[in-house]
Amino acid sequence: ETGVTQSPTHLIKTRGQQVTLRCSSQSGHNTVSWYQQALGQGPQFIFQYYREEENGRGNFPPRFSGLQFPNYSSELNVNALELDDSALYLCASSLASGREQFFGPGTRLTVL
Amino acid sequence: QQQVKQSPQSLIVQKGGIPIINCAYENTAFDYFPWYQQFPGKGPALLIAIRPDVSEKKEGRFTISFNKSAKQFSLHIMDSQPGDSATYFCAASRGTGKLIFGQGTELSVKP
Repeated sequence: ETGVTQSPTHLIKTRGQQVTLRCSSQSGHNTVSWYQQALGQGPQFIFQYYREEENGRGNFPPRFSGLQFPNYSSELNVNALELDDSALYLCASSLASGREQFFGPGTRLTVL
Repeated sequence: QQQVKQSPQSLIVQKGGIPIINCAYENTAFDYFPWYQQFPGKGPALLIAIRPDVSEKKEGRFTISFNKSAKQFSLHIMDSQPGDSATYFCAASRGTGKLIFGQGTELSVKP
């Protein structure tokens, strides 16, 4: 059984640029959630995808957007990057009927 | 009402001690309460979780105690080891939706 994987591991961007982060869900899981974790803080929910549709969104602006593909993998896109977007971005997969969310290793984004 | 408050922020115990981490919530609609362990540079790993119809759950050296009337729950780590040194997060959710995380507790277990 393959766990949740994310790419890239690290990324450095400058303010105003756009970034795409990728996530492959755990085998058999059809729901993907994205979280932002600032240094020294708990993860904050960005949004969740199920059946390629957004299924709940946290308090993040529209420049944070996502996609889910037929194989349940997902992308997080962030436009017009700001310095405060620097964080660890975590992807978690789960079954639509299940409560347990399993996290990937994250992508460390640094915005200069 | 969506917050989960976690304490203490940091904790130092000797090997073999029993660190206790506490969390409190407001939203009575929450029905799932997991604990996660996170090592530096890694994603959070699910340790143990509880539903509000159970007052205690044990898995190995980890125990969750749940007090529904007080809207509080806690994690106890029995016979703690230096390898348990990590940041621990409590969380809560309603249904299969988003997890609301506490602020985290940095645990250090001294040899």
